[in-house]
Amino acid sequence: GNSVTQMEGPVTLSEEAFLTINCTYTATGYPSLFWYVQYPGEGLQLLLKATKADDKGSNKGFEATYRKETTSFHLEKGSVQVSDSAVYFCALSVLQAGTALIFGKGTTLSVSS
Amino acid sequence: GAVVSQHPSWVICKSGTSVKIECRSLDFQATTMFWYRQFPKQSLMLMATSNEGSKATYEQGVEKDKFLINHASLTLSTLTVTSAHPEDSSFYICSARDGGRDQPQHFGDGTRLSIL
Repeated sequence: GNSVTQMEGPVTLSEEAFLTINCTYTATGYPSLFWYVQYPGEGLQLLLKATKADDKGSNKGFEATYRKETTSFHLEKGSVQVSDSAVYFCALSVLQAGTALIFGKGTTLSVSS
Repeated sequence: GAVVSQHPSWVICKSGTSVKIECRSLDFQATTMFWYRQFPKQSLMLMATSNEGSKATYEQGVEKDKFLINHASLTLSTLTVTSAHPEDSSFYICSARDGGRDQPQHFGDGTRLSIL
């Protein structure tokens, strides 16, 4: 079946530290991959996406590369800010499954100044 | 960008009440909308896929008669939690797809439902 596995949180970092949140997936077919961010008390916002192997999605200093050989889509940022504190969800969608999103469990990031 | 409005943002009601949640795409037409449920500190679980003008497709384990979904127009889908009980308390989030099947979903801000 289709599934997403994210690293367990919470992740606690100091401002300007390097961030990596691991995400691996299992999918039938060729999935599109997404990272969504949820700030406290808010809904989800699309952070970035990649639709095929070796694509790199990037936005707001975050980036992730679609690695088919390792079935991974790790999220990285070179220098985090306090305002990046949120819950990050890795997700996939597969055309054959109607393109509904399948989410990982989410990783809470807490950045302190 | 594409905006999805969800209303209400928070509702508290007595056990046995039916509650309707609206999901609107404000600046695009959404042929498909999705309803998710999120428990505290957990991920989003897909409840159903809603296609305009047709019956919703429910995920396994989701009660159709409990969670009524109507997608009457290209910009509006509603989720009605019928005869709600405390175990239905949760965060409900809708999303809508802007364009073709390879396009990302845009999410509403969610509705926090608390059943007393």
